[in-house]
Amino acid sequence: EAQVTQNPRYLITVTGKKLTVTCSQNMNHEYMSWYRQDPGLGLRQIYYSMNVEVTDKGDVPEGYKVSRKEKRNFPLILESPSPNQTSLYFCASSFEGWNSPLHFGNGTRLTVT
Amino acid sequence: DAKTTQPNSMESNEEEPVHLPCNHSTISGTDYIHWYRQLPSQGPEYVIHGLTSNVNNRMASLAIAEDRKSSTLILHRATLRDAAVYYCILRVQTYGGSQGNLIFGKGTKLSVKP
Repeated sequence: EAQVTQNPRYLITVTGKKLTVTCSQNMNHEYMSWYRQDPGLGLRQIYYSMNVEVTDKGDVPEGYKVSRKEKRNFPLILESPSPNQTSLYFCASSFEGWNSPLHFGNGTRLTVT
Repeated sequence: DAKTTQPNSMESNEEEPVHLPCNHSTISGTDYIHWYRQLPSQGPEYVIHGLTSNVNNRMASLAIAEDRKSSTLILHRATLRDAAVYYCILRVQTYGGSQGNLIFGKGTKLSVKP
């Protein structure tokens, strides 16, 4: 089944403890992206990647890192999480080209205390 | 960055058509118009997209203005399961890229009354 898989679904952590949220897609998509969703602010893009080893900042990249060493995986790294990064995170991917629908994962709810 | 403007919320009655508007006055000639929806507790779901011509699929229709500065998502017969936040998004060209980046706005929350 074609899908975007995020792990974990829920994560509670403490300030400053490094964490990684994984994202994997099995559709051989070139484009991948991370979003965070907060009440009243909608979906905001954190980082995106056009292909392997090609990443770029979205609207809210501060405090996050990403890597794209292989096409299927696009992990989101929080080196030193802070409470303002408590949010619902979505990973998405699409085939190449502007004419391609985006496929989303089921989300990761992160709480930083 | 190209942006879209949508009403914050809309209401509809079950089994009636729904027209969800979107303004994108700064759209460029190569920007695709995408629509997604997000049901409660789920990730966004693709609905439809288009460039210049009106588009139809099993979920909805997309009507694009001739000047492309606005578009309308049409749900022909709303059901209770269509209650969701609907996002109108432009897929815009990035520098040197062969693909388009998507920028989400705040969307329209659609309520469907039985």
